[in-house]
Amino acid sequence: SQQGEEDPQALSIQEGENATMNCSYKTSINNLQWYRQNSGRGLVHLILIRSNEREKHSGRLRVTLDTSKKSSSLLITASRAADTASYFCATGDTGFQKLVFGTGTRLLVSP
Amino acid sequence: DSGVTQTPKHLITATGQRVTLRCSPRSGDLSVYWYQQSLDQGLQFLIQYYNGEERAKGNILERFSAQQFPDLHSELNLSSLELGDSALYFCASSVGASGKDEQFFGPGTRLTVL
Repeated sequence: SQQGEEDPQALSIQEGENATMNCSYKTSINNLQWYRQNSGRGLVHLILIRSNEREKHSGRLRVTLDTSKKSSSLLITASRAADTASYFCATGDTGFQKLVFGTGTRLLVSP
Repeated sequence: DSGVTQTPKHLITATGQRVTLRCSPRSGDLSVYWYQQSLDQGLQFLIQYYNGEERAKGNILERFSAQQFPDLHSELNLSSLELGDSALYFCASSVGASGKDEQFFGPGTRLTVL
């Protein structure tokens, strides 16, 4: 079964607006990563946040991690049509040597 | 471009057949991962190889097998294919042995089983 669950499943916004996606997970982790996937293409790594970090920024991306609530959020500011994609969180579980991917959030940014 | 290459891009075959998917990792990466992505199962980890050795196993069926060669490219063999094996198959690579590092994904092979 999937470790992470993203919320919402789908999000539709206008260009210039901010998009926030949430990820919840179940067990202890070493890190949490966010990936983007354009339709039918390979996943692209966006950002990695370690379990001892609370917030991380990369360009227009801001990721937070709350290990007490076992949740993370990805904020994309000033969205663009090119941000249209599916976004997945992936957890590096302390008990397993692998990443476990969530179910993804489909983001649609309209011009 | 992630630097990970996969061939072929598309594969259409019939039930009961066997196919081989190929992956070349990024230069310098020693780990190769295989994933299956289908509409109903999402992205499922199949198997990881590190420097030629099997490192971790996920939800890989017995009909599927993989290997990593001395030049570090990897092949995923799918046999006795069923309709339900139709999916996107991704290869990813990373530098080290830990499966929890950042991974670089290839463009995928779309397998259609008729």
